[in-house]
Amino acid sequence: EAGVTQFPSHSVIEKGQTVTLRCDPISGHDNLYWYRRVMGKEIKFLLHFVKESKQDESGMPNNRFLAERTGGTYSTLKVQPAELEDSGVYFCASSHMTVGSLAFFGQGTRLTVV
Amino acid sequence: AQKVTQAQTEISVVEKEDVTLDCVYETRDTTYYLFWYKQPPSGELVFLIRRNSFDEQNEISGRYSWNFQKSTSSFNFTITASQVVDSAVYFCALSQANTGNQFYFGTGTSLTVIP
Repeated sequence: EAGVTQFPSHSVIEKGQTVTLRCDPISGHDNLYWYRRVMGKEIKFLLHFVKESKQDESGMPNNRFLAERTGGTYSTLKVQPAELEDSGVYFCASSHMTVGSLAFFGQGTRLTVV
Repeated sequence: AQKVTQAQTEISVVEKEDVTLDCVYETRDTTYYLFWYKQPPSGELVFLIRRNSFDEQNEISGRYSWNFQKSTSSFNFTITASQVVDSAVYFCALSQANTGNQFYFGTGTSLTVIP
């Protein structure tokens, strides 16, 4: 069974440009999460989808970030326009249940804004 | 408020030594879950263990063991007879019943095992 996959693995963009990150969760997992780790700090929650609905987006830093999960399958996270402080590793995770469930993480997308 | 603290930023040990990674958590919820994940150089987060708040029984899996103590709000992880392949960043995480499955992570402990 395929795990959580993220694309691209690395992205280097200039300040002001747009970047779209993609996450394919494990098939059948209704819950999909985005997290971000800024260098040296903790991995922080961004948002949570249940199927195609945003269950919790309290961690989204600002309106330059837009997440979608059309059809309840894969998800995209767009940053527009990117700023220097957006640099970090973006992780996607999926789980079957909502509470206490094991979350499976992807390998992350390392975003560098220069 | 909920919080996970991993006070050890970096640890280096010589192969075959034992090493303990500390994790202290804060939560007001009575139902919560604790996790350890390993992040090898390849980048993905690999699940190691999950514990719920009602099960304080310690666990051993091969060279790995976990000590969960609610009295001190700690969930420490010990690697016995460390190996070079154990070199990675290790994250402790907390999830709570009242916040869905959102994980609260510590800042991670980078472990280097020297051959």
